[in-house]
Amino acid sequence: DAKTTQPPSMDCAEGRAANLPCNHSTISGNEYVYWYRQIHSQGPQYIIHGLKNNETNEMASLIITEDRKSSTLILPHATLRDTAVYYCIVVNYGGSQGNLIFGKGTKLSVKP
Amino acid sequence: DGGITQSPKYLFRKEGQNVTLSCEQNLNHDAMYWYRQDPGQGLRLIYYSQIVNDFQKGDIAEGYSVSREKKESFPLTVTSAQKNPTAFYLCASSAGLTNNQPQHFGDGTRLSIL
Repeated sequence: DAKTTQPPSMDCAEGRAANLPCNHSTISGNEYVYWYRQIHSQGPQYIIHGLKNNETNEMASLIITEDRKSSTLILPHATLRDTAVYYCIVVNYGGSQGNLIFGKGTKLSVKP
Repeated sequence: DGGITQSPKYLFRKEGQNVTLSCEQNLNHDAMYWYRQDPGQGLRLIYYSQIVNDFQKGDIAEGYSVSREKKESFPLTVTSAQKNPTAFYLCASSAGLTNNQPQHFGDGTRLSIL
């Protein structure tokens, strides 16, 4: 079962920032928070990941709360091509299979 | 550009036939994975490999086989023993099997039964 909770859908106006929340209240100390997105009929695309510090790359920023129980993915200037299902997942391989457990994600619709 | 190439994009299988899905990566990654995605569902791990000449079963390995003879290649064979093979198959790779190494995915192969 997924260890994260996300809203099922969100809308965002083109050119505005998209802020996608994720709750992971049972996260443990060595588990990372990852974000992927999937556009219909394509493979998941890696966006960003972090442990406890905020992270930024060319695609997005990841803000993780101090208690690590929630995080927010920020797309600073959303475009129509950012319309996709966004998945927040908690990763802890811990000698196991390397299985990524995707939940239902948030369907982000960017509107003109 | 570095990446993961899956082929073919679409594949059709006849009853009783084995088919092989190709996955090639030029990212110099040690670890590779095969997942299956059914409509509206999450990913389920079929097989994974941490290093050349070694691979392990995932959650749903029955009816599938793999090989890892080269670092850059991890083909998946869907055998006739897999009774419900219609699905979207995704290959991924990562630098290693550690929490801080993201998996990167190919664009998938969609398999259907004739």
